[in-house]
Amino acid sequence: KAGVTQTPRYLIKTRGQQVTLSCSPISGHRSVSWYQQTPGQGLQFLFEYFSETQRNKGNFPGRFSGRQFSNSRSEMNVSTLELGDSALYLCASSLGDRYYEQYFGPGTRLTVT
Amino acid sequence: GQNIDQPTEMTATEGAIVQINCTYQTSGFNGLFWYQQHAGEAPTFLSYNVLDGLEEKGRFSSFLSRSKGYSYLLLKELQMKDSASYLCAVRDQEGGYQKVTFGTGTKLQVIP
Repeated sequence: KAGVTQTPRYLIKTRGQQVTLSCSPISGHRSVSWYQQTPGQGLQFLFEYFSETQRNKGNFPGRFSGRQFSNSRSEMNVSTLELGDSALYLCASSLGDRYYEQYFGPGTRLTVT
Repeated sequence: GQNIDQPTEMTATEGAIVQINCTYQTSGFNGLFWYQQHAGEAPTFLSYNVLDGLEEKGRFSSFLSRSKGYSYLLLKELQMKDSASYLCAVRDQEGGYQKVTFGTGTKLQVIP
């Protein structure tokens, strides 16, 4: 079956703009988690959505938000972009009942100039 | 909050065994994961431990001691393709939310 897909794969934005990233989970998976990966900080958990509700969240500012649709697809939005938001954004899906077995998508590489 | 420590880099020989350690400090512990990440690729799930002891899956094994805040990933019969970063991640509960915190990863280089 198809894996986790993320669009776009690469994105260049300027400071102050906003951006929306999309994630389509594996068919049948109801949980989608978002992570930010940078060379200095490693992988950091943003939030998790399950059945259209934010179930868990990390310690990111309110500029980072997300949502999940009824088909389990999820979007992540970052408003008022800062240079430090340049990173690889990964989403991971799981069935949701056993949260731990997550499957990652290829990521979206965001560059803020 | 959490603190997760793992070595930055390790080198091992093809065919050998390597152990990658991970120590953590957390409250509300609810599981520890190991992921493999090849350069330029997304992480791949390897193992999950929530109870003390050893979990074996082929050439890979993972051990957990909750009382010591310690885990290790054991890779046997190393192959060149095992050269990758290995990420330790801990799930815990904080302020009503569960979250997963990743270590910065151990870059393993397998040499002939």
